[in-house]
Amino acid sequence: GAGVSQSPSNKVTEKGKDVELRCDPISGHTALYWYRQSLGQGLEFLIYFQGNSAPDKSGLPSDRFSAERTGGSVSTLTIQRTQQEDSAVYLCASSPGSSGYTFGSGTRLTVV
Amino acid sequence: QQQVKQSPQSLIVQKGGISIINCAYENTAFDYFPWYQQFPGKGPALLIAIRPDVSEKKEGRFTISFNKSAKQFSLHIMDSQPGDSATYFCAAIRSNDYKLSFGAGTTVTVRA
Repeated sequence: GAGVSQSPSNKVTEKGKDVELRCDPISGHTALYWYRQSLGQGLEFLIYFQGNSAPDKSGLPSDRFSAERTGGSVSTLTIQRTQQEDSAVYLCASSPGSSGYTFGSGTRLTVV
Repeated sequence: QQQVKQSPQSLIVQKGGISIINCAYENTAFDYFPWYQQFPGKGPALLIAIRPDVSEKKEGRFTISFNKSAKQFSLHIMDSQPGDSATYFCAAIRSNDYKLSFGAGTTVTVRA
């Protein structure tokens, strides 16, 4: 596609439920990143994919968080047993290499 | 530890004025320095970028000044307009690396 597409754009979930967030990167971009942005805060790195592999998962905050990427394209970030502190905007970005990223518009997750 | 330090956290400028955001880095291996602009409800978008072989880059009303010896770079927004009101992030990366190091962000408000 022309840009990075994320879905859903907004998600409200009850505490304890699992959620899946989807990212469709720009076609041909081999690198894919997930970031988290809490209200008024900076960008917190979560995980990096090169192709379908995730050589850097160092930013995942707990084992409730996981991500996968299939076909070198779509990625899914899963949060299990959501907690209120998981409320944030989850941003996905893709890149053709070691230069600027293109971000999606994010998924705003609210845990109630 | 934050590899890129950004200041100020926020600034207010009158329409027509100059907005200046400063960033400093420690890793001398960094060789690509992009700036991102983020509007509320949107993901960050690449605004302008510079490599350390030049001291200044200008695109329209936006200018990056780069001081390699001081390990500092800054964004100047000339003739600031209300539509420039956004959060700005500086970032840095080295060739063949994958992860951008982001500053904490600066919220710019331009008063009409």
